[in-house]
Amino acid sequence: KQEVTQIPAALSVPEGENLVLNCSFTDSAIYNLQWFRQDPGKGLTSLLLIQSSQREQTSGRLNASLDKSSGRSTLYIAASQPGDSATYLCAVKKGSGYSTLTFGKGTMLLVSP
Amino acid sequence: EAQVTQNPRYLITVTGKKLTVTCSQNMNHEYMSWYRQDPGLGLRQIYYSMNVEVTDKGDVPEGYKVSRKEKRNFPLILESPSPNQTSLYFCASSLWGYRETTTGELFFGEGSRLTVL
Repeated sequence: KQEVTQIPAALSVPEGENLVLNCSFTDSAIYNLQWFRQDPGKGLTSLLLIQSSQREQTSGRLNASLDKSSGRSTLYIAASQPGDSATYLCAVKKGSGYSTLTFGKGTMLLVSP
Repeated sequence: EAQVTQNPRYLITVTGKKLTVTCSQNMNHEYMSWYRQDPGLGLRQIYYSMNVEVTDKGDVPEGYKVSRKEKRNFPLILESPSPNQTSLYFCASSLWGYRETTTGELFFGEGSRLTVL
């Protein structure tokens, strides 16, 4: 059974810092990996999706990498801002078509002004 | 605007009083799913649907029902709610990922916070 772990569970940084969030998964046979952002009491917003054949994806100040063989993904946030404060979740999809998405429990990020 | 819409967003009810949480998507997605999110437990899948009239259980289906009579709607039904169903519920949808032009990206609604007294 796939297990997804996100470390650390919480992270506090001053504004302007570059930071890395980690996501690890136990079964490397994945179809894709998706990073989400969740604001308190709100829904999940998709940030980046990396297909299993890709190594990384970039969107603005965000860069997500994927190393399938080692079962790891990282989300890099450059020049962090207070507006980046949220919980970040990663989720892995086992196969194409319907297949279960397995979520990590998230990293709660606080960026202080 | 492409979106997944859930209603109600907030609901307080009493044990045993049947309720329905609606979910609608305007992206013509085949796949729809319900999750609940609880502190320390993360997101857990309740039910999912691969297309109209095709539904199946997720990880925590007990106490819930769903139906998929139309492609755009996927309501979650609590026939006899109990306090342990107090949670934040999310509906999500996606195109199937088997086509070359699709990624299987999952889109979420804003969530429905349910309290059962």
